[in-house]
Amino acid sequence: DIQMTQSLSSVSAFVGDRVTITCRASQGIGSWLAWYQLKPGKAPKLLIYGASSLARGVPSRFSGSGSGTEFTLTISGLQPEDLATYYCQQPYSLPLTFGGGTKVEIK
Amino acid sequence: QVQLQESGPGLVKPSQTLSLTCTVSGGSVSSGSYYWTWIRQPAGKGLEWIGRISTSESTHYNPSLKDRVIISLDTSKNQFSLRLSSVTAADTAVYYCAREDDTGWYRSVDYWGQGTLVTVSS
Repeated sequence: DIQMTQSLSSVSAFVGDRVTITCRASQGIGSWLAWYQLKPGKAPKLLIYGASSLARGVPSRFSGSGSGTEFTLTISGLQPEDLATYYCQQPYSLPLTFGGGTKVEIK
Repeated sequence: QVQLQESGPGLVKPSQTLSLTCTVSGGSVSSGSYYWTWIRQPAGKGLEWIGRISTSESTHYNPSLKDRVIISLDTSKNQFSLRLSSVTAADTAVYYCAREDDTGWYRSVDYWGQGTLVTVSS
């Protein structure tokens, strides 16, 4: 199985700050990487696919980068509604696997 | 707009079978390049992929659960289902149904249900 590691379990920032979340794969996965936003009681939301492509309807302050084993999700200008937990996921090979999640908190 | 909704018992006894159904609206479970997927999240833990079924009804399961899982389609009701046998407390989790999009170059899980909590307890 490909292990996905998000080094930070939580990050705290002010509204308007730039927030960066990292994800590492245990082996190279090219650009086969997606990012999701989870909020309690709500359906999870796809943010980024193909490592850097913005999903439909996702605000442009979200961006993704990276390839191979190192990936980054950036929120440029944190908003109160971005309070959530963010997960990376690899669709490269089965079983599909997710990172452990990074909770974004507002200071 | 595709919408998915999980349904099923919220409480299951140990050793019994957990059964959940996902009703899909705004799209057909029998057409297109999609996988209909189950994912779960135990309280305080991360997401675990359980398995998926394609529109042509081929299945793939997580090896960690493979001997206990069956995912099936009901095209007449536009639903797909999960059966997990011999459950224990470790199977207590929020269960999500979702759609994995295989139409583009990169796959992703583009639509999710809100999730349903299933507790395994006597």
